[in-house]
Amino acid sequence: QVQLVESGGSVVPPGRSLRVSCAASGFTFSSYAVHWVRQAPGKGLEWLAVISYDGTTRYYADSVKGRFTISRDNSKNALYLQMNSLRVDDTAMYYCARTLTAFTYGANPFEIWGQGTMVTISS
Amino acid sequence: EIVMTQSPATLSVSPGERATLSCRASQSVSNNLAWYQQKPGQAPRLLIHGASARATGISARFSGSGSGTEFTLTISSLQSEDFAVYYCHQYDRWPLTFGQGTEVEIK
Repeated sequence: QVQLVESGGSVVPPGRSLRVSCAASGFTFSSYAVHWVRQAPGKGLEWLAVISYDGTTRYYADSVKGRFTISRDNSKNALYLQMNSLRVDDTAMYYCARTLTAFTYGANPFEIWGQGTMVTISS
Repeated sequence: EIVMTQSPATLSVSPGERATLSCRASQSVSNNLAWYQQKPGQAPRLLIHGASARATGISARFSGSGSGTEFTLTISSLQSEDFAVYYCHQYDRWPLTFGQGTEVEIK
């Protein structure tokens, strides 16, 4: 079935780096834009970044621009989020999400979500 | 950035009653508005997109309306599985933004 599975969450000290991954299955991954969204404990949803289906276009939220990098490997059906200079307020569940419609990264809601991977920033 | 404001923060409803949730955008998002349901320990689930189109497999109890800056999610007759947090989301402009959520709780 159509599925996204995140991995790589961990406990890391402030200032360090971490890469989380998202494995896609059950659909043609290379046809869809994908996003990262996070949710701090007990808080709401925060959009972080998007990458187009072919990897040529990326957008970021101001809160992570310059620190986080979204990338994908369509040959491996995988999405990544490289997180540098991590701060305590980056502590959250990190979700990957696929758009509803293929080949469009704009004006496109999130149809498929993974179950998330927890990232905790603590000394 | 477009700010999405949901009201109320918490809605207490008895099973079988109707629930009406509101979402206001700080500027027009046309009909590029989605609603998600999230239960504890689970990922969000897409309910409504394009302001009023039900996502695949979503019960007809859920309906969305509105355009521009004012939107409404209506749950016609609340079932036990509908008690959850609901988020509106604008995908009209970058950065994409969400409302802060409305918790629908059992009265």
